[in-house]
Amino acid sequence: GEDVEQSLFLSVREGDSSVINCTYTDSSSTYLYWYKQEPGAGLQLLTYIFSNMDMKQDQRLTVLLNKKDKHLSLRIADTQTGDSAIYFCAEILPTENDYKLSFGAGTTVTVRA
Amino acid sequence: DTGVSQNPRHKITKRGQNVTFRCDPISEHNRLYWYRQTLGQGPEFLTYFQNEAQLEKSRLLSDRFSAERPKGSFSTLEIQRTEQGDSAMYLCASSEPGHNEKLFFGSGTQLSVL
Repeated sequence: GEDVEQSLFLSVREGDSSVINCTYTDSSSTYLYWYKQEPGAGLQLLTYIFSNMDMKQDQRLTVLLNKKDKHLSLRIADTQTGDSAIYFCAEILPTENDYKLSFGAGTTVTVRA
Repeated sequence: DTGVSQNPRHKITKRGQNVTFRCDPISEHNRLYWYRQTLGQGPEFLTYFQNEAQLEKSRLLSDRFSAERPKGSFSTLEIQRTEQGDSAMYLCASSEPGHNEKLFFGSGTQLSVL
């Protein structure tokens, strides 16, 4: 990808909060995304945020956006074993004719009992 | 309709063989995308269609790769003369008109080239 960066691993105890961080490259990206991928499965869109927002909350998920630093985070409250997965941050980048999603390498979240 | 469907789930082939994957997008989604994901990496954009028209192709898509969406519904991705470096998960996604910012992905086809 075009250097969307994420930490590779996160280990968290069940019931605690998880925070996954991401830095992206294009300050003009209009949308920023979090996708979840479980083993052997495709990507599930968890949430996304429009660039004119700095926070979005959806049940246990909170997305924070710092446009100045090009930093995006995903907080999962009360982390459960079913939250164990790879989480991908993505931004929209322009292509020759349109746009595409550019993904980070993913953060593997392991939830321990 | 439960989502984007991809077939087969797994494909093992010998180097030099041709392979073809199929993607059925969510009904009435006019855009269809192909991405490739290698181990430990995020997906990388390959190409996309709006209805039956292929509007964009990444430089990653060599001339051994061809994608079609003849009737604007399902799509096929063919790789000719496969190489070991083609081994990856091939993901298809679709989006509905007016909401191209939301991509819904299938479970992918895992290709292993021996």
